[in-house]
Formats: sequence, C-alpha cells, structure tokens
Amino acid sequence: KQEVTQIPAALSVPEGENLVLNCSFTDSAIYNLQWFRQDPGKGLTSLLLIQSSQREQTSGRLNASLDKSSGRSTLYIAASQPGDSATYLCAVNTGFQKLVFGTGTRLLVSP
Amino acid sequence: NAGVMQNPRHLVRRRGQEARLRCSPMKGHSHVYWYRQLPEEGLKFMVYLQKENIIDESGMPKERFSAEFPKEGPSILRIQQVVRGDSAAYFCASSPEGTASYEQYFGPGTRLTVT
Repeated sequence: KQEVTQIPAALSVPEGENLVLNCSFTDSAIYNLQWFRQDPGKGLTSLLLIQSSQREQTSGRLNASLDKSSGRSTLYIAASQPGDSATYLCAVNTGFQKLVFGTGTRLLVSP
Repeated sequence: NAGVMQNPRHLVRRRGQEARLRCSPMKGHSHVYWYRQLPEEGLKFMVYLQKENIIDESGMPKERFSAEFPKEGPSILRIQQVVRGDSAAYFCASSPEGTASYEQYFGPGTRLTVT
C-alpha cells in the first residue's frame, strides 16, 4: 500500500529565504508526482507535475525534483515571499488514477 | 476555459438528511475523481468515474455514499442520511483521459457541515 509522508509538517521562515519541502513515498512504482498548493478554505492549485521518467520540473521560483528509486521528491522555493504562505501537498499517481496524498507542509513566510 | 466547478461551495445539513454535491469537469474532460478531506487529515480518494461508468469506487464508504456521472450534466456525489462524521471538504478533479500521465485539475471543493 502506497504511503506518502511530508516533512516538515510546518515551517516558518522570514521573507527572502530559499527553502526545501520534502515528500517521500513507500512504493517507487509511480507514474507521476504532483505538487499542489492549498490556501485555507480553498481548493488545490497544481504547481508542478513530474512524470516518472523525469528528474525535475521548474516553474518560476519553484523547482521540483524526483528520485523514484529512493522514493523521494523535493520542492524548492527560491526567494520566498509572504504570498507563498499556504499548505503544500504532494501526491503520487500509482497508475490507477488514485492520487495518494501526503498530509502536507504548512508554510508561513513572514515579511 | 473555465476550470472545474463545484456547487454548492458550502452545504449545511442536519443529521439524517441527504447531501448532493455537484461537479462539472473542465471542458473536454471526460474523467472525474472525488476526494474527501476530513478535518486535520489529508485528502483521500473516493471514486473515479467516466461518463456513465464507475471505474473505481474502492475509496467509497460501503453505505450511504453513491456517485454518478451521467451522459449529460454534472457528476453527483450523494450522501444519504448524513452523520456528523461526514463533515468534511469534498473535492472533485477532472482529467481529459484516464491514463495516468494526465494531470488532475481540482475544483474549489464543497464544504459539508452536518449539524
């Protein structure tokens, strides 16, 4: 059974810092991995999708990497801003179209 | 191109009533997924539907819950005789095809409160 863990559960940083969020999964047989952002009381915004054949994806200040063999993904946020404050979720697709989600990292970026 | 739409955004029901949650997928998407987020928990898969077919309902509670995606109209998640433990955010997602390489796009969710 696929399990997804995210650490840390919460993170508080001053504006301008570069930071790394971690996601690990127990079964390396995945098709892809998605990183999402969730604002309080809101839906999920897809940030990056990494296919299993890819090592990383970049979008603006965000960079996500994937190491399937070790069951890990990281989301790197450069030059953090207060607007980045949200909960970040990773989810793996095991090929049966069920996304398995981690419990998220709550990020607070203070001005 | 409008995104995934869900309504209502907030729904309050008394114990024992029925709750109907609607999801309109993105234009051109024929695959719909429902997820539930219980308070202080992660999102959990409930059901995967294609037009007029349930593909995978392995995450659905065995009783009181049902889902459909008719040929015309939105997908409906129906909860009969709601209980307090059904209070949660219910999210719908859609994709253009059912292959795993496609990204799932999420709606804003319906927040169900059972009093």
